[in-house]
Amino acid sequence: KNEVEQSPQNLTAQEGEFITINCSYSVGISALHWLQQHPGGGIVSLFMLSSGKKKHGRLIATINIQEKHSSLHITASHPRDSAVYICAGPCAGGTSYGKLTFGQGTILTVHP
Amino acid sequence: ETGVTQTPRHLVMGMTNKKSLKCEQHLGHNAMYWYKQSAKKPLELMFVYSLEERVENNSVPSRFSPECPNSSHLFLHLHTLQPEDSALYLCASSQDTAGANNQPQHFGDGTRLSIL
Repeated sequence: KNEVEQSPQNLTAQEGEFITINCSYSVGISALHWLQQHPGGGIVSLFMLSSGKKKHGRLIATINIQEKHSSLHITASHPRDSAVYICAGPCAGGTSYGKLTFGQGTILTVHP
Repeated sequence: ETGVTQTPRHLVMGMTNKKSLKCEQHLGHNAMYWYKQSAKKPLELMFVYSLEERVENNSVPSRFSPECPNSSHLFLHLHTLQPEDSALYLCASSQDTAGANNQPQHFGDGTRLSIL
């Protein structure tokens, strides 16, 4: 079982809809990463947060460390938001040489 | 433009071939990573380099051989690969490896590898 679980695995929306992607993790972490992977394969780091909420444009990420849960919200979604969204957290145990464990990703498709 | 460049973008090779993947970062980072992304699987960490020294080998078969000649360049040498090695190979860098908690990792666009 993966230490980081995302839901839903697939998400289809109409342009303009509010979107939420959830991430739950089974290990104690102090920060969580949200990444965006475009169809070509390249990955962009969207957020890294350890508490509360962060906002960048139409993207909002929240985290509840005690509940081991994070959400990524997209307001006024647009077809260009179509991508795979991945959450990741530092690996449990051992020395943390920048090791991340990744969720399986949420495939988002926004239709015009 | 993330500051991390990978070449080639696509590679098709036979099981007996030898090839190399290249990664270059222009961000002045001290840590570099190789990841493997197979279809419908999460990203898997393969190797971590910190200041040109390998600090993590995540149980990767010896047919994958990394090389880090300096802090800006990272190679992945491939030989005698298997069909199950077909995947997207991603390189990333971060300022250093002092904990993944407080540093973003910057990714390249990946090399799509197909083994015939």
